Parts: sequence; structure tokens; C-alpha cells
Amino acid sequence: GIQVEQSPPDLILQEGANSTLRCNFSDSVNNLQWFHQNPWGQLINLFYIPSGTKQNGRLSATTVATERYSLLYISSSQTTDSGVYFCAVEEDSNYQLIWGAGTKLIIKP
Amino acid sequence: KAGVTQTPRYLIKTRGQQVTLSCSPISGHRSVSWYQQTPGQGLQFLFEYFSETQRNKGNFPGRFSGRQFSNSRSEMNVSTLELGDSALYLCASRREGRGNTIYFGEGSWLTVV
Repeated sequence: GIQVEQSPPDLILQEGANSTLRCNFSDSVNNLQWFHQNPWGQLINLFYIPSGTKQNGRLSATTVATERYSLLYISSSQTTDSGVYFCAVEEDSNYQLIWGAGTKLIIKP
Repeated sequence: KAGVTQTPRYLIKTRGQQVTLSCSPISGHRSVSWYQQTPGQGLQFLFEYFSETQRNKGNFPGRFSGRQFSNSRSEMNVSTLELGDSALYLCASRREGRGNTIYFGEGSWLTVV
């Protein structure tokens, strides 16, 4: 099955800094999504991005499907950006989502 | 429109008991999936239901079971609870078809003592 790897596993930044989170996947996928889990456990969908680039405010994401990776950019980090960021991909053969282990981001004031 | 609703939000059970968690998906969503997340860990896939049928299943013991009703609402049950079952249980729903966004509920926090 597809393997999904996220890096770095942990990231600590000062407020105002920029960051890049990476998601590598081992095979072609139909669907790639980025999620943010806040410290209270709520998972919020950030982007559905099987290919190309999307932007939403201070966040943007780029997926290069041919090279099997996706990047999530966070600019001008705020303390509310803290939490865990997950990427998930959908296998071609079935509808199951395969999840990365996440990147834990801590933004210090 | 209403999001994914999970009940109860918090519960405490003792070892050996059983628990049932409920999930109401977003209206129009027929796929419901369940995940377990233990402290500091990623998401572990439990199972997915579509049209009252289990479509995918994760690697969990038979103590973990689920079902889906005709209105797409889903329940999961854990029997003979163990301390290690303490976790956040997340339910998610999405429309049928590839490439659809998945939406999560707020989760049910289960503590087994």
C-alpha cells in the first residue's frame, strides 16, 4: 500500500516566522488533503490539493503529483497556528485514506 | 449546514465495560469513517462504512465493531474495555466519489479506568 511520510516531525518557531511542511507519498494518488488538528483535538480540513497550488490567507499548498510530494507553507506564523498538521492521500485501488504521522508545530509568542 | 456530530463528547468507563459512540454525518454524506487517536499519536483507521456496509477495516481486534444505519448515522462499539483503549475517537464523513473532502467531528474522549 501507499506510504505517507511527513517532515519534520516537530517544529518550534517564533511568532512571525515562516514554515514549510512536507508530505511525501510512495505512489500515485487520487486525492491529497492537508489538515490541522488544534490542541483540543478538532481536525480541520485546510486544503484538498491533488495537484497544483492553492492559497488561503497565510496558508498555501503545492502538490507535485509527478514527483509525489506536497508542501504546506505557513507565513507570518501566529500562536493559533500551533497544533499538528496531517496530510492524507486516497489510494487508487479503494476509498481508504492513508495518513501521515503528522508534523507537530509549536509557535512561541 | 450542520457539521459532523459525535456523542458523547466525554466519557469515563471502567475496564471490562463496553461503550457505544455515535456519529451523525453531514447531510448528504453517505461515507462514515472512524479513527482512534491515542495521546501524542497519529490517526489509526478503524473502519469505514458506506450505505450500511463496512467498506474498509483497519487493524484492530474484534472488540471494536461498528455499524451504519439507513440514515447514514453510524455507531461504533468497543467491548471488554482495556486501559489502552483510552483515546480520542474521531468520526468523519464525506460524499461518495473520489476526491471529496472529508470532514471530522469534534471527537469523543474516552477514558478507561
